[in-house]
Amino acid sequence: EVQLLESGGGLVQPGGSLRLSCAASGFTFSNYAVSWVRQAPGKGLEWVSAISASGGSTYYADSVKGRFTISRDNSKNTLYLQMNSLRAEDTALYYCAKDAPLGQWLGSYGMDVWGQGTTVTVSS
Amino acid sequence: QSVPTQPPSASGTPGQRVTISCSGRSSNVGSNNVFWYQQLPGTAPKLLIYRNDQRPSGVPDRFSGSKSGTSASLAISGLRSEDEADYYCAAWDGSLSGWVFGGGTKLTVL
Repeated sequence: EVQLLESGGGLVQPGGSLRLSCAASGFTFSNYAVSWVRQAPGKGLEWVSAISASGGSTYYADSVKGRFTISRDNSKNTLYLQMNSLRAEDTALYYCAKDAPLGQWLGSYGMDVWGQGTTVTVSS
Repeated sequence: QSVPTQPPSASGTPGQRVTISCSGRSSNVGSNNVFWYQQLPGTAPKLLIYRNDQRPSGVPDRFSGSKSGTSASLAISGLRSEDEADYYCAAWDGSLSGWVFGGGTKLTVL
C-alpha cells in the first residue's frame, strides 16, 4: 500500500524550531518529487514547499522562504521540513504529498497520495 | 491576489448537478494544468481531477473538470450526501514557481 506518514509536530514557542519528517512506503520514493502542504485551523490548503526526486531542486512559498528548508534522504525513504523562526501564523496541520514522477515537471502531475498530517502549534 | 478564486460555498439537493468555479491568472490556471482535490471532514485531501479533466481510477464519472482560459470548473452530477466536502482547485504558478490553491468551496448537500 502506498503510504506517507508524517511526524515531528508539536508545540513550540515563537522564534523556535521544529523538524518534520515524512516516511514513505509502498512506492519507489526516489522516483517522485514530494511537497509539503499545510492547513491552518479552519482554513484552506496552502502549499509550503516541494523538492524534486533527486533533491537537486527545491521550491518554497514566499511565506516560508528563508525560514524553512526542505530536504530528503532517498536511502531512508524520508522527507524532511526544517522549520526555523516559527511564527504564530505557521500554526497548522502539515501534510506531505507525493508529487510529480521523475521526468515530469512539477505542475504537470498533481499530488496523488497524501499523509494524514502532523500538527504544529506555535504559541507562548 | 495571486491565488485562484473559488466561491466559498455551494449547495444542492440529492440528484442535482452543481458546479464550482476556479478563477485564476495567466501565470497559473491560464498556462498550466488544473487539479481538483476533495477533502471530506476530518480527512486528508484526495486528488479528484488531474490535468484539467482527467479522473484518477476510482473516482466516479459523476465528477468532471473543464478549463477555459484562466478559469476552470468542477461539475458534480447526481449529487449524493457523501459528496459533502471541501473542494479545492490548484495549479502550478510559473511566476511564483510553486503551487497555488484556490481558497476552497464548501459543498453542502441539502
